[in-house]
Amino acid sequence: IQLTQSPSSLSASVGDRVTITCRASQGISGYVAWYQQKPGKAPKLLIYATTTLQSGVPSRFSGSGSGIDFTLTISSLQPEDFATYYCQQVNSYPLTFGGGTKVEIK
Amino acid sequence: EVQLVESGGGLVKPGGSLRLSCAASGFTFSSYTMNWVRQAPGKGLEWVSSMSSSSTNIYYADSVKGRFTMSRDNAKNSLFLQINSLRAEDTAIYYCAKRLSGSPLDYFDDWGQGTLVTVSS
Repeated sequence: IQLTQSPSSLSASVGDRVTITCRASQGISGYVAWYQQKPGKAPKLLIYATTTLQSGVPSRFSGSGSGIDFTLTISSLQPEDFATYYCQQVNSYPLTFGGGTKVEIK
Repeated sequence: EVQLVESGGGLVKPGGSLRLSCAASGFTFSSYTMNWVRQAPGKGLEWVSSMSSSSTNIYYADSVKGRFTMSRDNAKNSLFLQINSLRAEDTAIYYCAKRLSGSPLDYFDDWGQGTLVTVSS
């Protein structure tokens, strides 16, 4: 299953609402996760099963979607949110990740 | 606190082999499916392999099938990845990752810091 993320990069300002999309090549039953990765660090799980916020993750992060289209939204971008974000499908093996979306400071 | 510490990476010539290790602590290792995920320099994440808690179920990415072998030693809280017939495109940071607690699916809630494998002549 291929995952296509868009955009591949974006520039935004602190306080902006940011939306990243992930489109699967076939249905994945909502079994999608979102990760945040900062340079030189391991990825961090933000959201799983489309909408479930991982423990300790700020509520400004949210996930939505169904079928083949899924979205990660950051409601009010904070300085610590500048990073690369990846979606992942766990519906079937081989597990796959999207190509990533780099969120940069405008 | 969950800790995952990878080791065993290094510089190896094409066609060579390495054995990566991941030492786990802070959780009941024998109860969790574990995974390897890699990331080539400046590139995205690529899932490599998954092994169930009792080693019964093992899955591999097509790109590594037949060359990589995942194993674990629950008595020693350790995970391994034997990588053979290395190619330049295997150059990456290799992370071990733990399945999300309570989930039947491979969402990864804990990751190691990674170990770098460089394949070059």
